[in-house]
Amino acid sequence: NAGVTQTPKFRILKIGQSMTLQCTQDMNHNYMYWYRQDPGMGLKLIYYSVGAGITDKGEVPNGYNVSRSTTEDFPLRLELAAPSQTSVYFCASRTKTGSIRGGTDTQYFGPGTRLTVL
Amino acid sequence: QQQVKQSPQSLIVQKGGISIINCAYENTAFDYFPWYQQFPGKGPALLIAIRPDVSEKKEGRFTISFNKSAKQFSLHIMDSQPGDSATYFCAASKGILNNDMRFGAGTRLTVKP
Repeated sequence: NAGVTQTPKFRILKIGQSMTLQCTQDMNHNYMYWYRQDPGMGLKLIYYSVGAGITDKGEVPNGYNVSRSTTEDFPLRLELAAPSQTSVYFCASRTKTGSIRGGTDTQYFGPGTRLTVL
Repeated sequence: QQQVKQSPQSLIVQKGGISIINCAYENTAFDYFPWYQQFPGKGPALLIAIRPDVSEKKEGRFTISFNKSAKQFSLHIMDSQPGDSATYFCAASKGILNNDMRFGAGTRLTVKP
């Protein structure tokens, strides 16, 4: 059980280049998320998915795209990279057990991808 | 618009002391308040969470206190240890699996031996 894995760990892009950040989880969680974390700031949600084939925008989706063809994988695509996208990107998966009203939150984050756009 | 405000930005505590981190929220529809712990170079980890039907939740040395009328909640770390040195984030959302969670800016805690 590897949890949530992300690749690559580090990447430097030139302005206008594109790349895909990979995220895989082996816990069969339906919910998956992409966040970005800027220095001295909390996490901001980019995109999320509630299951295979279903994705939706979060708080800061501009400049990004996602797909969810399987339960395990949730790649994040950056098109036309800009310096404003320099950040640390975290993928997470989540599930909830127990009652509808209460229950227990189980959430795991990947180790992050540090992206620099020059 | 920052919906969750966290203070202090940084905190230094002696080993064995109590660490207290505070958060305030604006949206009264929020009903789930988790805290996350993040070590350098690692992803955040869910530490403890509370719902507004209780005023306090304790798990080991970690306690969340919740004040619904003041729209504030805080994390208390009792008997703080050097291993607790990390950045702590509070967050708030509508429901556990709501996908619009808002995070505080974080508190960097240093526990001196």
